[in-house]
Amino acid sequence: EAQVTQNPRYLITVTGKKLTVTCSQNMNHEYMSWYRQDPGLGLRQIYYSMNVEVTDKGDVPEGYKVSRKEKRNFPLILESPSPNQTSLYFCATGQGGLGREQYFGPGTRLTVT
Amino acid sequence: EDKVVQSPLSLVVHEGDTVTLNCSYEVTNFRSLLWYKQEKKAPTFLFMLTSSGIEKKSGRLSSILDKKELSSILNITATQTGDSAIYLCAVLNSGNTPLVFGKGTRLSVIA
Repeated sequence: EAQVTQNPRYLITVTGKKLTVTCSQNMNHEYMSWYRQDPGLGLRQIYYSMNVEVTDKGDVPEGYKVSRKEKRNFPLILESPSPNQTSLYFCATGQGGLGREQYFGPGTRLTVT
Repeated sequence: EDKVVQSPLSLVVHEGDTVTLNCSYEVTNFRSLLWYKQEKKAPTFLFMLTSSGIEKKSGRLSSILDKKELSSILNITATQTGDSAIYLCAVLNSGNTPLVFGKGTRLSVIA
């Protein structure tokens, strides 16, 4: 079954404590990306990756890091989380080309206090 | 700046009604337009429209791309309560630029 998994699904943490949200897909997709969704602002892309070892900034990359060492995994790293990073985060994958974000993960609700 | 605008923002209809959701865009070098349905969780992909595929249909849902008017509509016929969701439109520009998402239309279907 085609699947995109994210962990954790919910996280409450404190300012400054490094955290990683994992994303894994089993569809052998080349393209993966991270979004955050905030009320009134919609979905905004944080980072994306066209393939292994190829990553690039999206619209709102500040305060985030990513890595793509394997095709199936694309973790999102918050080195020093701040309250303005409280949001709902989605990982998305696709084959690339004209319809890249074809599968979204279930989401991670992050609260930074 | 690339922009995607959806209308209406919110819509309440009765079961059995037909609804039309709108998406207009201003992007350079348009490549594709995507529709998603978002219930209480992640967006799920509905359709992708391109210059070579301007009309798509799946059951009660259909979508048309109007490249001249730089817009798309999503039609849902014989609506059901299970159609209640936020419908998102996104446009892909050229190159490796991120998808540009609209803010969505919240559809509520009441029995």
